Amino acid sequence: QVQLQESGPGLVKPSETLSLTCTVSGGSVSSYYWSWIRQPPGKGLEWIGYIYYTGSTNYNPSLKSRVTISVDASKNRFSLKLTSVTAADTAVYYCARVTPPHCSSSTCYHWAYFDYWGLGTLVTVSS
Amino acid sequence: DIQMTQSPSSLSASVGDRVTITCRASQSINIYLNWYQQKPGKAPKVLIYAGSSLQSGVPSRFSGSVSGTDFTLTISSLQPEDFATYYCQQSYSIPYIFGQGTKLEIK
Repeated sequence: QVQLQESGPGLVKPSETLSLTCTVSGGSVSSYYWSWIRQPPGKGLEWIGYIYYTGSTNYNPSLKSRVTISVDASKNRFSLKLTSVTAADTAVYYCARVTPPHCSSSTCYHWAYFDYWGLGTLVTVSS
Repeated sequence: DIQMTQSPSSLSASVGDRVTITCRASQSINIYLNWYQQKPGKAPKVLIYAGSSLQSGVPSRFSGSVSGTDFTLTISSLQPEDFATYYCQQSYSIPYIFGQGTKLEIK
């Protein structure tokens, strides 16, 4: 059973950098796509971006200039950095696995839903 | 970006009721639409993927359907544990976008 666990500071000052790590157990980061998603208190879900184990990334354009996602296969974890944070970045941050392709015969479908999630960690941006 | 319009934003229903939640995409997304259930203080859980495929382990009272750019999540007979917030998510193109959510409350 794949398990994900977010870790990092729960309080970040405005204009500083938010840094979180997601440690994967029960599976290897050296496969699949891995993603970060956030949820401001009382609001909906926002996809931040994903990384493939090769290091290939794709980010939400709304955050692209401030986001970096990286992977450390030796420690079986991946990380999120978000620079120049403001109060609007206050949210529960989730890491999640993007489901692998569903393949039958010679056809594979990349449905790209999130099948395993961490518990989430609240990050508050405040001085 | 593809926009997802989810309705209603909230819904009151009773145990045993049949409930439908709709998500409309701003353009064609084929069947790249997924549904999640989220309970307070918990991470979302996928229920339906590819418009109408039931995720393993999810009760069969949950179903999804597709009609063009309209997607529907149906709960055939509400159980007490189904009261939660539901989100749709398009995975057709980047950025992946979630609907605004539907909060299902007990009447």
